[in-house]
Amino acid sequence: GQSLEQPSEVTAVEGAIVQINCTYQTSGFYGLSWYQQHDGGAPTFLSYNALDGLEETGRFSSFLSRSDSYGYLLLQELQMKDSASYFCAVNNQGGKLIFGQGTELSVKP
Amino acid sequence: GAGVSQSPSNKVTEKGKDVELRCDPISGHTALYWYRQSLGQGLEFLIYFQGNSAPDKSGLPSDRFSAERTGGSVSTLTIQRTQQEDSAVYLCASSLEGGLEETQYFGPGTRLLVL
Repeated sequence: GQSLEQPSEVTAVEGAIVQINCTYQTSGFYGLSWYQQHDGGAPTFLSYNALDGLEETGRFSSFLSRSDSYGYLLLQELQMKDSASYFCAVNNQGGKLIFGQGTELSVKP
Repeated sequence: GAGVSQSPSNKVTEKGKDVELRCDPISGHTALYWYRQSLGQGLEFLIYFQGNSAPDKSGLPSDRFSAERTGGSVSTLTIQRTQQEDSAVYLCASSLEGGLEETQYFGPGTRLLVL
């Protein structure tokens, strides 16, 4: 089967750092993507890792360890606008994405 | 167009009726994907198009679901004899060529409610 596990909820305060973990078990793996979705909105792409290591894009970083089937999204200098759902997704054959259930991040003042 | 568009944005239908959902991908994008998102859940892959062909239909839940794409552009997802469990947000995404590392750009979705 295919499964991705991520925490359902995370709460943090403005200015803090938060890490959202994702473990996966899929048949076929080409990379791990992260998407952000605000309430009622379209998912938007944040980051992608095909190889082990850390990818940094501004305040957001993403990490992948293929040997551990594990990745995480790191959000720094949290802002209120970062309150949203965050999804990890395995890039599979044909470019299709296999999504986790999402982590709802609440940023408090 | 500037982004992926979907219509209608909301659809309420009665159980047993057929519905058609439309997706207009970003101009020039050859790959198109349909996903379904139930309330509070992740996205579930339904079908993938490369041009007008659908090499992967593995996510379609039943034979009541079908999709087509014409002219390498617009796609229609049809659900026949709708059931209450079909209620969800149906999201469409497109990417330039369907490459493994390409970003998928999502539309705003169609919220389907089956009464």
